[in-house]
Amino acid sequence: DVKVTQSSRYLVKRTGEKVFLECVQDMDHENMFWYRQDPGLGLRLIYFSYDVKMKEKGDIPEGYSVSREKKERFSLILESASTNQTSMYLCASSLCFRYRDNYGYTFGSGTRLTVV
Amino acid sequence: QQPVQSPQAVILREGEDAVINCSSSKALYSVHWYRQKHGEAPVFLMILLKGGEQKGHEKISASFNEKKQQSSLYLTASQLSYSGTYFCGTETNFGNEKLTFGTGTRLTIIP
Repeated sequence: DVKVTQSSRYLVKRTGEKVFLECVQDMDHENMFWYRQDPGLGLRLIYFSYDVKMKEKGDIPEGYSVSREKKERFSLILESASTNQTSMYLCASSLCFRYRDNYGYTFGSGTRLTVV
Repeated sequence: QQPVQSPQAVILREGEDAVINCSSSKALYSVHWYRQKHGEAPVFLMILLKGGEQKGHEKISASFNEKKQQSSLYLTASQLSYSGTYFCGTETNFGNEKLTFGTGTRLTIIP
């Protein structure tokens, strides 16, 4: 079964800490994404990557950075965690558009981050 | 630009039908539909690419209008297992690769 694995299910961090969220996919997908999910706001795109070492800002990139050194791994970095970054973070991957007539995103189970 | 989903929430009895709508102010390249059960990852249901397209099966299907600005998800003779939050995700340009999601529709099925 194809999988997107997020390293932690729950995390509690202190304000000002540097936080790393890791995501690994085993499907050889080109695209990888980081979304945050908040009640009433749906899923909002933070960053995405369509190839190794390539990244593009999403709708809410402020306070975040990403790293993609290998095709299967996409990391989200909170440079200095703040309480307004308390949220559920979802990683997803997909085939590039040329191949995905009947395929969508595959999501990980999410990391619930609490910043205190 | 975030698509508008309606309704925000709906409660149905088992066996009843539901329609969830997703609309955009601009023509779209594609629409995706996902279902998320509580505490779980969103799961892909289907993608619609062509104006006027209808897709799915008897129980869960979706349409994409000719102008490619509105999609509807149809849940027929609902079952308890259909409960969850449904999201549409829209792609605005060919090759854009990223989805913008609506705020979701919470569907509760009661026996």
